[in-house]
Amino acid sequence: EPEVTQTPSHQVTQMGQEVILRCVPISNHLYFYWYRQILGQKVEFLVSFYNNEISEKSEIFDDQFSVERPDGSNFTLKIRSTKLEDSAMYFCATVLAGGFTGELFFGEGSRLTVL
Amino acid sequence: QKEVEQNSGPLSVPEGAIASLNCTYSDRVSQSFFWYRQYSGKSPELIMSIYSNGDKEDGRFTAQLNKASQYVSLLIRDSQPSDSATYLCAVMERDDKIIFGKGTRLHILP
Repeated sequence: EPEVTQTPSHQVTQMGQEVILRCVPISNHLYFYWYRQILGQKVEFLVSFYNNEISEKSEIFDDQFSVERPDGSNFTLKIRSTKLEDSAMYFCATVLAGGFTGELFFGEGSRLTVL
Repeated sequence: QKEVEQNSGPLSVPEGAIASLNCTYSDRVSQSFFWYRQYSGKSPELIMSIYSNGDKEDGRFTAQLNKASQYVSLLIRDSQPSDSATYLCAVMERDDKIIFGKGTRLHILP
């Protein structure tokens, strides 16, 4: 059973539409990350989230992006108005509680296709 | 711009030989370093973490860290066809920001 579950596995959307990607870690995960990977390119850091607030974010993570953990379980990434260049695989990753080691557990990813 | 550099490969290694993967990083204050394996179409999977200078061994894998040279490497002994994948070097810059290199594609020749 995966440590981190992501939904949807694949989403196709029209440019300009809002998209919400969800991540459900098992218990005892304390730090949450979103990364994206455009096809054939590197895994890019978007944002880290700890104690219900953003800890670090990259230049990619502009006003179109937001994250939240609304119910203490799900961790979501929202893209308000998608662009063609947002097409990528989005990975949620978490770190276990009990001391921050930086060892990331990745979900299986959500593939976003923007048309 | 902080960077993690890797040779993109492909690196071809005969089955049973040692595969050597290298990584350099630009942020001198980085303290934590990681190697991930990514199969095509899959998510990254942690192989090793290393935090202090020297070698760290785990089964067929050995990570090596040289902070003075800002250099991290991964050795895979007795390479198997199942080791064919892209290997990602990751560095924790500050606080909790972890960035990845582009990865090295490794191909084990049967």
